[in-house]
Amino acid sequence: GIQVEQSPPDLILQEGANSTLRCNFSDSVNNLQWFHQNPWGQLINLFYIPSGTKQNGRLSATTVATERYSLLYISSSQTTDSGVYFCAVGSGFGNEKLTFGTGTRLTIIP
Amino acid sequence: DSGVTQTPKHLITATGQRVTLRCSPRSGDLSVYWYQQSLDQGLQFLIQYYNGEERAKGNILERFSAQQFPDLHSELNLSSLELGDSALYFCASSVVASNYGYTFGSGTRLTVV
Repeated sequence: GIQVEQSPPDLILQEGANSTLRCNFSDSVNNLQWFHQNPWGQLINLFYIPSGTKQNGRLSATTVATERYSLLYISSSQTTDSGVYFCAVGSGFGNEKLTFGTGTRLTIIP
Repeated sequence: DSGVTQTPKHLITATGQRVTLRCSPRSGDLSVYWYQQSLDQGLQFLIQYYNGEERAKGNILERFSAQQFPDLHSELNLSSLELGDSALYFCASSVVASNYGYTFGSGTRLTVV
């Protein structure tokens, strides 16, 4: 099956800093999503981005499908950005099962 | 509120017992997915239903089963529970072939003692 690697595994930043999270995947995909798991365990869908670039406020994501990676950018970090960020990919038709990476744990210090 | 409702939020039960986790998908979503999140295995896909029929199966144990009912809610049944089944169980829903991706429920935290 598809392998998904995320880096870095842990990231500790001061409030206001910018960060880049990376997701590498081992095969062609037609579905890639970024999720944020907050400290209460809830999984929030950030982006559906099998290719191209999207922005939502302080967050943006870019997927280069031909090179099999995706990047999540967080600018002007806030303490509420803390949590674990997961990249998940799928190769089936439409929204089929996703394979999740092991996540990047982000801690924002006030 | 994501629109996906999971009950119960917490469950503590003894080894050998059986439990049922329930999920109501977001209005209009026909696909329901179940995932298990444990410390050692991460987030693992269990099973997917689409409009009442099983669509895809992942790493789901034979002791586990699921179904999706005509009103589209889904239940995940876990039987002969073991300590290692303790985990966070998530349900997600989506519209197949959409550009919106998954919406996850808040999860059921199962503790087997």
